[in-house]
This record gives sequence, C-alpha cells and structure tokens, in this order.
Amino acid sequence: KAGVTQTPRYLIKTRGQQVTLSCSPISGHRSVSWYQQTPGQGLQFLFEYFSETQRNKGNFPGRFSGRQFSNSRSEMNVSTLELGDSALYLCASSMRGNEQFFGPGTRLTVL
Amino acid sequence: AQKVTQAQTEISVVEKEDVTLDCVYETRDTTYYLFWYKQPPSGELVFLIRRNSFDEQNEISGRYSWNFQKSTSSFNFTITASQVVDSAVYFCALRLIYNQGGKLIFGQGTELSVKP
Repeated sequence: KAGVTQTPRYLIKTRGQQVTLSCSPISGHRSVSWYQQTPGQGLQFLFEYFSETQRNKGNFPGRFSGRQFSNSRSEMNVSTLELGDSALYLCASSMRGNEQFFGPGTRLTVL
Repeated sequence: AQKVTQAQTEISVVEKEDVTLDCVYETRDTTYYLFWYKQPPSGELVFLIRRNSFDEQNEISGRYSWNFQKSTSSFNFTITASQVVDSAVYFCALRLIYNQGGKLIFGQGTELSVKP
C-alpha cells in the first residue's frame, strides 16, 4: 500500500506570494490533518479534514486555509506569505479514530 | 488545556547502551491516546506505538519498550542496545479520544544521537 504523498517536496517563495501544498492520503483513509513544524514552535496542528469537512482547526491566522476533495486528497493554501511561514509542512492521514501516518513533508522557504 | 513535555532536548549515547526517553503529559480528559513517533533526518514522522488511557499494560517490541503510568502521567520509551540507525528526533504526542477530532499535541522532541 502506498504511503502518504506530498507535493511539492521543496518550495521557495517570496513574501506576499501565496502557495498551495498538496497531500494524497493512504488509500482508504478519509481523515487528513496538516501540521507545521518549525525549530522555534515545534510541531503545531493546523487543521483536520474528514469527508470533505473541516473537523478541527488550530490556532493559525486566516491566511492558512485548506480543503479536502471527494477522493480524500487535500490541499492547504497560505496567502500573503510571511518570513515566519518558512517551515516543514506535514500531512497525515488516518482511518477514523486510529493512528496517523505522515507524509515526507513540504519544506517551504519564504524569502 | 493539554500539554506534552519532553524534558530531554538532546541525548547522546554510545552504541549498545540502553536509553530511555521521557514524556510527561497533562490533560483533564480521562480518555485519550498517547503516541511515540520517530523523525529521522529525512523528515518523515514514523509511527512507533499508540496506547490508550484505559490500557496501562506495558509493551515490549523487539528492542523497544514503553512504560505507561497514569498515576504520574508519564509515557516513557526505552531503546535497548541502541544502534546508530536509532539516531533521530523522537516525539511523544497526545490525542483526546472524544474531543478535538484527530488533533495531535506534540512534545518538543528529544534528539537522540547514537555514536558508534
């Protein structure tokens, strides 16, 4: 069974731009969660989607948004990028109620 | 509010030594899951184990073992006879079963370095 895939793996943007990251969950998994990892703040929960509905949201500004499609694939978008948005963005998928399996992440650098 | 604390920021051992990674958690909920994940230099978080709050049975899996004690809110992880390939950052995480969906609350991580 293929694992969680994330594209792109690396991304360089400049301040003020927007970015869209993509996540394809493990086949059969309907829940997708996103996390931001930075050296200063560690791993922080962004949001979770289940069956195309946002089920939970972390404490991030409205510039961070996401969505989930009918095939469970998910995208997250960050608008008006700031230097502090530079991070590793991790996506995780799970069967409902079970452990989460993570993808390799997208490393975003904002210049 | 929930919180996970990994007091050890970095640990360095020599190969074949045993090493224990500490994890202390805080929550008022009585039903929750606890997890350990490993993050090698490649960056991907690798799932190691899940325990639920009503099962305090400790577990051994190969060189790995886990000690869950609700009385002290601790969920420690031990690697026996460590190997260089065990070098990684290890994260302890908490998830409430009936609230907050699938949200994982992570500790700050413990960077383990195993030297040959």
